[in-house]
Amino acid sequence: KNEVEQSPQNLTAQEGEFITINCSYSVGISALHWLQQHPGGGIVSLFMLSSGKKKHGRLIATINIQEKHSSLHITASHPRDSAVYICAVRTQGAQKLVFGQGTRLTINP
Amino acid sequence: ETGVTQTPRHLVMGMTNKKSLKCEQHLGHNAMYWYKQSAKKPLELMFVYSLEERVENNSVPSRFSPECPNSSHLFLHLHTLQPEDSALYLCASSHRDTHNEQFFGPGTRLTVL
Repeated sequence: KNEVEQSPQNLTAQEGEFITINCSYSVGISALHWLQQHPGGGIVSLFMLSSGKKKHGRLIATINIQEKHSSLHITASHPRDSAVYICAVRTQGAQKLVFGQGTRLTINP
Repeated sequence: ETGVTQTPRHLVMGMTNKKSLKCEQHLGHNAMYWYKQSAKKPLELMFVYSLEERVENNSVPSRFSPECPNSSHLFLHLHTLQPEDSALYLCASSHRDTHNEQFFGPGTRLTVL
């Protein structure tokens, strides 16, 4: 079992829908990252958080350290949001990231 | 523009070839990483260089050989690869501080025939 699990693995929705992607982890962490990978392969960092909630435009990320769970929300989703969203955790004291398997999001017009 | 560039973007090679992947970062970072991304699998960390010293080597076969000549450049030398090595190879960089985010390059799509 992977130390970082994401759900769902695939998600298809209509434009405008509210999207939630979940990430659960089983190890102690110092930070959690949400990344976005476009079809060409390039990865962009969306958020890095260690507590609470962060918001950037239509994207919101939350983390509950006690429950070892994080969610990524997208409001008013748009076809350009279609991508793979990856959760990654930085284990305590380590310089490396442990990655989830990714959630493939498709937003249809 | 992420500040991390990789060349080539696509590479097709035979099992007997020798090739190198190049990564360059323009962000003033002092840690660099090689990742392998195979289909339907999580990103796998291959190597970590911190202040130009290799600090992590995750049981990667010796047919993959990294080189970090300075804090801005990272290479991955490839020789006698296998078809199962076909994947997307991603480079990333960060500050050594463990709480800083990593910035990724666009990746090199490698196909081994």
